[in-house]
Amino acid sequence: RKEVEQDPGPFNVPEGATVAFNCTYSNSASQSFFWYRQDCRKEPKLLMSVYSSGNEDGRFTAQLNRASQYISLLIRDSKLSDSATYLCVVLSGGGADGLTFGKGTHLIIQP
Amino acid sequence: DGGITQSPKYLFRKEGQNVTLSCEQNLNHDAMYWYRQDPGQGLRLIYYSQIVNDFQKGDIAEGYSVSREKKESFPLTVTSAQKNPTAFYLCASSIDPGLLYGYTFGSGTRLTVV
Repeated sequence: RKEVEQDPGPFNVPEGATVAFNCTYSNSASQSFFWYRQDCRKEPKLLMSVYSSGNEDGRFTAQLNRASQYISLLIRDSKLSDSATYLCVVLSGGGADGLTFGKGTHLIIQP
Repeated sequence: DGGITQSPKYLFRKEGQNVTLSCEQNLNHDAMYWYRQDPGQGLRLIYYSQIVNDFQKGDIAEGYSVSREKKESFPLTVTSAQKNPTAFYLCASSIDPGLLYGYTFGSGTRLTVV
């Protein structure tokens, strides 16, 4: 059974700090990886794709470790507006049956 | 503006009633998906369609039905056979059925059984 596992948190982090969380996936043949952000009672929104070489978008850095089957998200200089649930999302099987979502990691940035 | 529109935003269903959730997109995407989200749970796939007039069951299709008569529209019917329908329902689409670019989501419909 395909699975994506995340620490649900909550992670309580002071404003300005750096925070990182990981996600593990069970299907070694998974092809694509994403981080989505979901605010309370809203739809998920794509934060960033995760590439094999790692990628950065402003304060956000995503890494992929295929050997250990995990992806990570690092947020530097955290802002109050970063408070949200971060969903780890994995594509397996060529997209034939959709993306697989983790349950999310809840992040709370405190002033 | 291109996007996905879900309606209604909130829906209340009586026991034994069928209800239909609307999902319309003007992104010219071929692939469309319906997910259900329960509190503290990940999104679970109900049905998906990669092309007009074709759709496939997802992981939790029992008690649900869909149609895909137009590229733009992928309505979901929650039937009386769905015993626990209270949830947040999300419709998504993708420009690429191979999903290399992820999904675009609608803003969701919150269904409550009363």
